[in-house]
Amino acid sequence: EIVLTQSPGTLSLSPGEGATLSCRASQSVSSSFLAWYQHKPGQAPRLLIYGPTSRATGTPDRFSGSGSGTDFTLTISRLEPEDFAVYYCQQYHTSPTFGQGTKVEI
Amino acid sequence: EVQLVESGGGLVQPGGSLRLSCAASGFTFSSYDMHWVRQTTGKGLEWVSAIDTAGDTYYPDSVKGRFTISRDNAKNSLYLQINSLSVGDTAVYYCVRGAVWVEATYFDYWGRGTLVTVSS
Repeated sequence: EIVLTQSPGTLSLSPGEGATLSCRASQSVSSSFLAWYQHKPGQAPRLLIYGPTSRATGTPDRFSGSGSGTDFTLTISRLEPEDFAVYYCQQYHTSPTFGQGTKVEI
Repeated sequence: EVQLVESGGGLVQPGGSLRLSCAASGFTFSSYDMHWVRQTTGKGLEWVSAIDTAGDTYYPDSVKGRFTISRDNAKNSLYLQINSLSVGDTAVYYCVRGAVWVEATYFDYWGRGTLVTVSS
């Protein structure tokens, strides 16, 4: 099983600032089969990024994904109030596994 | 608009059983692989079952033998039968649509989830 470790656990930021979220895999994720999700309380999780640089339908261009091998990053260029949420990475190189999440809070 | 609406969660005693349902709309249900993913306090998000368009099923070893996923394409519905429930099965269960290959995929649409609580 590929274990994903996200850091930091919590990011405390203000609207307008940038955010960098990290996801490290316990083994190489070939072909960069990695996705990112946003989850707000009481809502369905939402796919943001897959592949790991392709934006899902409706994902604003302030969100970008990068990385390969074992190290992946989700970057939010300028935080909007609606971006404060928990973000999860997920690999699909093998049976899907998820990171433990990074909470982006004000 | 794609919608996935789960139901059937609730409070169950250890050793009991439960059947979760998911009503799908807004897409051609029979053309997509479907999955259940759960979120527990201790282990976070965990993929627990999948069913492909041909009806073949897939499970991680952690739930094999206790979980049964099924689908009814005529009713645009997905189901999860959970037997021999334990406290560790307490979680929010999400109905999820797979985007690529059934055994290794990301998930492009999620429901809001249904809470299963296992307690005496």
